[in-house]
Amino acid sequence: GESVGLHLPTLSVQEGDNSIINCAYSNSASDYFIWYKQESGKGPQFIIDIRSNMDKRQGQRVTVLLNKTVKHLSLQIAATQPGDSAVYFCAERMGGGADGLTFGKGTHLIIQP
Amino acid sequence: NAGVTQTPKFRVLKTGQSMTLLCAQDMNHEYMYWYRQDPGMGLRLIHYSVGEGTTAKGEVPDGYNVSRLKKQNFLLGLESAAPSQTSVYFCASTASSSYNEQFFGPGTRLTVL
Repeated sequence: GESVGLHLPTLSVQEGDNSIINCAYSNSASDYFIWYKQESGKGPQFIIDIRSNMDKRQGQRVTVLLNKTVKHLSLQIAATQPGDSAVYFCAERMGGGADGLTFGKGTHLIIQP
Repeated sequence: NAGVTQTPKFRVLKTGQSMTLLCAQDMNHEYMYWYRQDPGMGLRLIHYSVGEGTTAKGEVPDGYNVSRLKKQNFLLGLESAAPSQTSVYFCASTASSSYNEQFFGPGTRLTVL
């Protein structure tokens, strides 16, 4: 079965607000958790990753939080812009090799003007 | 630098027909992947390759074959297409130094009637 999933299929936010996209995972053995963004008609694009021994990692306008106690991962996007409109996927990877990623189902982020 | 390209962009097949999807990357990446994406779903790994001349099965390999005769190319074959193989197919590649950041192509939309 699928070990990485997202709570909501759609999330609507006002432009300028912060967005929080959530993901629940079940495989405690995963070494990395990764967020990808997929714009309509395009392939997924890497956003940010976090190693399982970390709680928080920040990038440009994005923050990923990892709560291993409840097996929860979130992506926070600050000051959401129209260009952030996309489907966001969380993914996981076991360490030690290049044997691909396991993706969740995705959350469609809709930006309201 | 074109990144990851996929050929063709669209294709319609009849049940039982065969075809090959071509993926090419110009980033000198060692690792290449084929995923499929079904409506409302995340990506699922079909096959992958960790180097020229090598291939391995992913999560959903049945009905597909792959070849990696050249480092820059990764071919996905369907010997006898079935309606269940209607999907969008994505190729991705990554360097050995960063397995989490995969670079995806634009996708091939395949319909099997």
